[in-house]
Amino acid sequence: EVQLVESGGGLEQPGRSLRLSCTGSGFSFGDYAVHWVRQAPGRGLEWVSFIGKRIYGGATQYAASVKGRFTISRDDSKSIAYLQMNRLQIEDTAVYYCARGTIGYNNALWLDPWGQGTLVTVSS
Amino acid sequence: SYELTQPPSVSVSPGQTATITCSGDKLGAKFVSWYQQKAGQSPVLIIYQDNKRPSGIPERFSGSNSGNTATLTVSGAQDMDESDYYCQTWDSGTAIVVFGGGTKLSVL
Repeated sequence: EVQLVESGGGLEQPGRSLRLSCTGSGFSFGDYAVHWVRQAPGRGLEWVSFIGKRIYGGATQYAASVKGRFTISRDDSKSIAYLQMNRLQIEDTAVYYCARGTIGYNNALWLDPWGQGTLVTVSS
Repeated sequence: SYELTQPPSVSVSPGQTATITCSGDKLGAKFVSWYQQKAGQSPVLIIYQDNKRPSGIPERFSGSNSGNTATLTVSGAQDMDESDYYCQTWDSGTAIVVFGGGTKLSVL
């Protein structure tokens, strides 16, 4: 079964750091991009970041709201992607999902599957 | 930055057809995916590449995309279809992914 499992969430103070992990199983992890998407309480989905396949240089991109504070990385030998979150802000409070990204031959992009999510709470 | 606009809510009677729209500038020139998120659960992909269904997704879900609007159609809506639905696209040039604000579908 293709599966993604997030971990590392918790309660942290503003200005501090947290690292999330996304562990994949049931597929060749290195052959796919990994995306992070978050959902603040009662709100919609907000895309956060992605890291491409290593074979294409592991390109990364970030939403403007986290650029310069968050860093995405991957360790394909362990089938894990990370999201290092620095200088946390109260507005970063959300459930963070990781999802496998697929790009079709015509440049369509879809995210499937998604993990169960991990809750990050930023509060003093 | 690119934006996708969805109606906050749509209501449908059981067995009827529900349509959920997703609007964006020249959206028809991009590809759209749709996700279903039931209360307390993770999102699930239900449509990709505008109109393709992943295996296991019922045929009553269909999608289209033209002009400035993509549409998710739920034919013969069932109680179990009550969920939030999100459209998504991306700009391959900037590699920025965009989600619509989500639509709550009520079946009543």
